[in-house]
Amino acid sequence: NAGVMQNPRHLVRRRGQEARLRCSPMKGHSHVYWYRQLPEEGLKFMVYLQKENIIDESGMPKERFSAEFPKEGPSILRIQQVVRGDSAAYFCASSPGFRGGSDTQYFGPGTRLTVL
Amino acid sequence: DQQVKQNSPSLSVQEGRISILNCDYTNSMFDYFLWYKKYPAEGPTFLISISSIKDKNEDGRFTVFLNKSAKHLSLHIVPSQPGDSAVYFCAAGNTGNQFYFGTGTSLTVIP
Repeated sequence: NAGVMQNPRHLVRRRGQEARLRCSPMKGHSHVYWYRQLPEEGLKFMVYLQKENIIDESGMPKERFSAEFPKEGPSILRIQQVVRGDSAAYFCASSPGFRGGSDTQYFGPGTRLTVL
Repeated sequence: DQQVKQNSPSLSVQEGRISILNCDYTNSMFDYFLWYKKYPAEGPTFLISISSIKDKNEDGRFTVFLNKSAKHLSLHIVPSQPGDSAVYFCAAGNTGNQFYFGTGTSLTVIP
């Protein structure tokens, strides 16, 4: 059973370009979460999605960032017009949903975005 | 506002001894808590969890303790092994909502 997959693992963009980060959840998981880790900081929640629905996007910057989790295919985190401050590691996690009150999230290996 | 805090950025322990990693949270409504281990350039790996209806959960060398009145949890690793050297994150939240992560504690186990 493959774990959470993210691609690309490393992404380099110039200021003003767009970055697209992909996340395929574990098989059977219908919930996806995106986190960002800035250097020397912990993981910061960005957005929580279920298939075709954004459940909680309270951690997403208001501009330039968007996320989707279509009915078919991976979840996409999209950053438009990237700036140097967007350079970070972006982690995706998935969970199966609600079972008896526990819902452990399993993380992918992350995408390291570098903005030149 | 940091809802989950790990006040020790680093910890060094001799191999074979106990490692104790601490975590404090502010929201009394949190009902589920997790510990993750992270190696450089990898994603966090789930280690152990505990729900608010328990005060202890054990899995092999790893035990998590929860003190709800103090809003404090800790992870005990015994005996510590060099392969345990990693950054450990605690996370807290409500089932069905986002989890809040601490800033991590870097554990070094000295052979």
